[in-house]
Amino acid sequence: GAVVSQHPSRVICKSGTSVKIECRSLDFQATTMFWYRQFPKQSLMLMATSNEGSKATYEQGVEKDKFLINHASLTLSTLTVTSAHPEDSSFYICSARDIAGGTSAGELFFGEGSRLTVL
Amino acid sequence: AQSVTQPDIHITVSEGASLELRCNYSYGATPYLFWYVQSPGQGLQLLLKYFSGDTLVQGIKGFEAEFKRSQSSFNLRKPSVHWSDAAEYFCAVGPTGGGNKLTFGTGTQLKVEL
Repeated sequence: GAVVSQHPSRVICKSGTSVKIECRSLDFQATTMFWYRQFPKQSLMLMATSNEGSKATYEQGVEKDKFLINHASLTLSTLTVTSAHPEDSSFYICSARDIAGGTSAGELFFGEGSRLTVL
Repeated sequence: AQSVTQPDIHITVSEGASLELRCNYSYGATPYLFWYVQSPGQGLQLLLKYFSGDTLVQGIKGFEAEFKRSQSSFNLRKPSVHWSDAAEYFCAVGPTGGGNKLTFGTGTQLKVEL
């Protein structure tokens, strides 16, 4: 199956700093990528939809100035947590769908996640 | 609005025993349904999906799921569980036409006793 890679897998930062998480589709192109947040022992909550070449679409309640999303190419989307605070500590997961479709049509491929800890 | 309910938060089974994880969904049209598995600290791996056709879907790792429209259910089954199956399992529903905006259930944590 298609591979989505996230980097870094773990990051620890000080309160007030910004952290960038990368999401790459390694063997396919994705015009759209999705960013999820997962709290401990809970399900995934969609934060935003990242659109290649245009602005991201944010879910209700998600601060767009707090979580900056850039989708500069068909294989890369980045999530920047600005002025991070301890409550931003979470597991962030990205996903993407192969624009070529085929047997993978409709299937989302997930990255391995990025664990953010804000001290 | 679409929603997914996984009524069992934790399930413990003995290795070799059969497994059924429950999933009920609420969706206004014909849904796309998915089961994902997540190992600790990892992303999600797709086990299987239902879009249309045969209501009994075969997936990877010996898993299968059955779509029952009358019960709005998509339960995941495995006839014989292996210790390596211990993980978190998520049921998800998406709109017809693709899995863009998935709604996930709260997950079921599976523990396998040796």
